[in-house]
Parts: sequence; structure tokens; C-alpha cells
Amino acid sequence: RKEVEQDPGPFNVPEGATVAFNCTYSNSASQSFFWYRQDCRKEPKLLMSVYSSGNEDGRFTAQLNRASQYISLLIRDSKLSDSATYLCVVAGRGGSYIPTFGRGTSLIVHP
Amino acid sequence: ETGVTQSPTHLIKTRGQQVTLRCSSQSGHNTVSWYQQALGQGPQFIFQYYREEENGRGNFPPRFSGLQFPNYSSELNVNALELDDSALYLCASSLGSDNEQFFGPGTRLTVL
Repeated sequence: RKEVEQDPGPFNVPEGATVAFNCTYSNSASQSFFWYRQDCRKEPKLLMSVYSSGNEDGRFTAQLNRASQYISLLIRDSKLSDSATYLCVVAGRGGSYIPTFGRGTSLIVHP
Repeated sequence: ETGVTQSPTHLIKTRGQQVTLRCSSQSGHNTVSWYQQALGQGPQFIFQYYREEENGRGNFPPRFSGLQFPNYSSELNVNALELDDSALYLCASSLGSDNEQFFGPGTRLTVL
């Protein structure tokens, strides 16, 4: 089993739709969780951190489920500009810090 | 913009050569991480430097080495280049080892 797994998609949704991505992780000692957005041939950009209590930033909501070892990202009212690859990152203490990226989930929002 | 810069932006090398990539971290950040990203894959962690010391290393051979300078800028060196080393090399800076990371634009390396 991979350390961090994401459905590569693509998720093809119309404007205005709500879409959710999950990311599962295998290391139960993981402490830090993030979602990044990456546009084609560009660097990843931090979208949001994921806290135990969950967090929301406008149309984006991130949740952490430690019991089932996954994090989720919900995008409401999708915009064309949301089209990108969404990468989850999991990192843990207990030795060296080794952040592990998922391979990313591709989102295509169409008119 | 994140304030993280990388040079060069593109590089073409041949097998067996050596390459040095450079990264300037965001002002105030003391930690730099390096990643390799192949096409269609997520970034793979190479190593991290925190206050000039290596603070963690991914599953990369010793021919991948690095260092961090007192101003927290960093270099990634790759010896004996192989065709599979062709990828986008990203550096990311952060304040501390487990906080949010901010990426530079990357260096696209092609090995022929």
C-alpha cells in the first residue's frame, strides 16, 4: 500500500458543482496535513492546512479523519479557474520529517 | 509570488555529467526542502535542510547531495546523471520543518 493515495481522476464537473476529493494515508503517526494546488507545468501552491477540527476558506473545506486515516477537500460552487491538480501532503514526526505527496487528483471544471 | 527563487529554470545535460541547482528561500525561512517531480506524479521528497543541517532524507541514492548556506539558501547536486533523473526539481522553504512549505518555480532538468 502506498503511503499516500489519491484518485488521479480526472474529475470532470460543470461550473457550480460541488466536488470532493479524498486522500488516504498509511502512517498513523502522521501529524501535519496540507492540500496544495498545482497548475500545469507550474509549482505547487499551498491551498490550505488541514487541522483536526477541520477548516474552511471560502468555497473550500478540508477535513481530517484520523480514525480512518484520510483527509478530504470539498470545493463548492466550482469555477473554471479551479481546474488544476490537487495534491495532498502528509508528514509526521517520530524521527525525521519526511513529507509525502500524493500523486494528485486532476479536476476539470467545464462551462 | 512566494519569494522562493530557483536557478536555472531549464537545463540540459548528458548522462554521466554533474549538475548543481540553486534555491533562495523566502525571507525569514530557515528550512529548505528539495523535491523531484516526474511527469504525472506528485513531488518526491529528496531531502530537507534545517539551519544548515540535513533534517531528513527520502529514498534517493547518495549521488543526490545538498547543502544549506548561512543565509538559508541551498544547493542540490546530482552526480553521474542518469536518463531517469530528467524531471522538475522543486525547492520549498518554510519556517521550521513541519510548517507550510512555499515552492519555487522549479528547475526543469533534461538528461540526454
